[in-house]
Amino acid sequence: SQTIHQWPATLVQPVGSPLSLECTVEGTSNPNLYWYRQAAGRGLQLLFYSVGIGQISSEVPQNLSASRPQDRQFILSSKKLLLSDSGFYLCAWSVSGTVVNQPQHFGDGTRLSIL
Amino acid sequence: DAKTTQPTSMDCAEGRAANLPCNHSTISGNEYVYWYRQIHSQGPQYIIHGLKNNETNEMASLIITEDRKSSTLILPHATLRDTAVYYCIVRVVSGGGADGLTFGKGTHLIIQP
Repeated sequence: SQTIHQWPATLVQPVGSPLSLECTVEGTSNPNLYWYRQAAGRGLQLLFYSVGIGQISSEVPQNLSASRPQDRQFILSSKKLLLSDSGFYLCAWSVSGTVVNQPQHFGDGTRLSIL
Repeated sequence: DAKTTQPTSMDCAEGRAANLPCNHSTISGNEYVYWYRQIHSQGPQYIIHGLKNNETNEMASLIITEDRKSSTLILPHATLRDTAVYYCIVRVVSGGGADGLTFGKGTHLIIQP
């Protein structure tokens, strides 16, 4: 069966510090991968998605970037964190290709606090 | 994506069936109904989805009305671990990747012992 792993579970970082969050998926090949942010009391915001290695699309302009160095690895990064980057970061995957209406499956998230 | 309307909160006794309604009166013919839930401090969990036929899996059943303007998620034997916020989403998924999910406020289901 497929599993998705995110780490770390929680992170406290000072303003201006760099960030690297990692997400890996097991049990499937060539998945679509997603990074979301969920601010407190608010809904999900899609940040990035990827349909293959090295292919990244950004949904909103921001202080963050994403990379996909391997088929099942998705990394969220920042060179200098801002206070507004605080939130709950979620990685998700779905089946890729022409099969439509496949659900997305989420990891357990990383709770990021910027001080 | 079509808009959905859900009750803000619901209570259900442990061991009973929990029936969560969702209205989606503007749903289009090619839009599916998806249900997710989110337990506090965890990532959203996919539950079930359907187009127009009723669907059942190991977690729940999804009943979609004939006119597709509303649906009900049924948890047949609710346990305390089913306490969560349940989200009903109506959308078309292209398969091309650019299909970010948008959650509304959902229904906070509280299972009472």
